[in-house]
Amino acid sequence: KNQVEQSPQSLIILEGKNCTLQCNYTVSPFSNLRWYKQDTGRGPVSLTIMTFSENTKSNGRYTATLDADTKQSSLHITASQLSDSASYICVVICRTGGGNKLTFGTGTQLKVEL
Amino acid sequence: NAGVMQNPRHLVRRRGQEARLRCSPMKGHSHVYWYRQLPEEGLKFMVYLQKENIIDESGMPKERFSAEFPKEGPSILRIQQVVRGDSAAYFCASSQLRTGKTSGNTIYFGEGSWLTVV
Repeated sequence: KNQVEQSPQSLIILEGKNCTLQCNYTVSPFSNLRWYKQDTGRGPVSLTIMTFSENTKSNGRYTATLDADTKQSSLHITASQLSDSASYICVVICRTGGGNKLTFGTGTQLKVEL
Repeated sequence: NAGVMQNPRHLVRRRGQEARLRCSPMKGHSHVYWYRQLPEEGLKFMVYLQKENIIDESGMPKERFSAEFPKEGPSILRIQQVVRGDSAAYFCASSQLRTGKTSGNTIYFGEGSWLTVV
């Protein structure tokens, strides 16, 4: 069964600190992996897209890594800001006969405090 | 360039009524996906549509739920005879190409429609 597990479930950090969110998946066959940021009451917004051959990709203060062998990904946030408070969702795309399907993790709820 | 537009943003229905949720994809996008997010849970795939075609409805309950994406107009997710368990946020997403066909194919989400069944 295709699954995406994220940890920690929730995290509180002080403004300016760094943090790393984890994503483990069992989705197969793998196509690509995406990280989304979802503010409360809003739709998810794409942060990064990573294919099988990519190990690291950065988008401003966000850096995602992917280890396709161990089926793990991480999202590192540097110099956190209050506006980073949101749910971060790991999404894995797999190829199926009927198209490509997204499997979502349940997200890590990040809260950045003063 | 407007993003994915969903309406209504919030909808309250009594048990047994019908709920209709609309989604206008981004301009130039012909692939639409509907997801449901229950409180404290992740997004769950419901249905994938192209214009006038349902490509994959494996995530949609067999009864009471239907979806369409007509040649003209928005995609509509229809829930008949709603029950309390249907209360959730329903997100629509669109893409230009089939999901994952290229790594650069970004999927854009709407802001969601929050359905509350009382």
